[in-house]
Amino acid sequence: QVQLVQSGAEVKKPGASVKVSCKASGYTFTSYGISWVRQAPGQGLEWMGWISAYNGNTNYAQKLQGRVTMTTDTSTSTAYMELRSLRSDDTAVYYCARDRGAVAGPEYFQHWGQGTLVTVSS
Amino acid sequence: QSVLTQPPSVSAAPGQKVTISCSGSSSNIGNNYVSWYQQLPGTAPKLLIYENNKRPSGIPDRFSGSKSGTSATLGITGLQTGDEADYYCGTWDSSLSDWVFGGGTKLTVL
Repeated sequence: QVQLVQSGAEVKKPGASVKVSCKASGYTFTSYGISWVRQAPGQGLEWMGWISAYNGNTNYAQKLQGRVTMTTDTSTSTAYMELRSLRSDDTAVYYCARDRGAVAGPEYFQHWGQGTLVTVSS
Repeated sequence: QSVLTQPPSVSAAPGQKVTISCSGSSSNIGNNYVSWYQQLPGTAPKLLIYENNKRPSGIPDRFSGSKSGTSATLGITGLQTGDEADYYCGTWDSSLSDWVFGGGTKLTVL
């Protein structure tokens, strides 16, 4: 069965960076994309960006351009999301999701990781 | 303020039917597929509907999706207490070059 297992909770200070991992199993990693979605406490879902596990192409949310980098390691079927220059309003649960879009961009989010809480506080 | 507009909440009695609307524009819903996600309390979202009206395997046919023009609708029949959750619509916005979600709708089964 498809599984996406994310790294554990993080506490960071403002201005720092965080890197969240998402290890995939149960499917051919390079046949799909990975999207990252975050959810601030008590708020709705916010798409952060997409990466093709096939060729590494990325598409980042306009709001996060310049602060976010998404990568994949096909040898371990793991996706990574790094967010830099953290602010208090980056405090959220961060989800990875297997995206049906493999090459051209995000399409829809078929399976989700369990989420990683990132807390930004001084 | 979300690009896609959903009602903040809806409610209905067990066994009844409810619809959740998602309103957008020609740059998003009008020209792209819509998907719907269910988020039970304290859990990750789950795909309910993709490409406007298709259900992934394992999703009961009590859940349905439709799209007309720049609006989409999620329908749930035979409501159960286990359906209490937040529901989100989402699609690509060609003008923003971003994926956008609705603000979410909290379903209460009275």
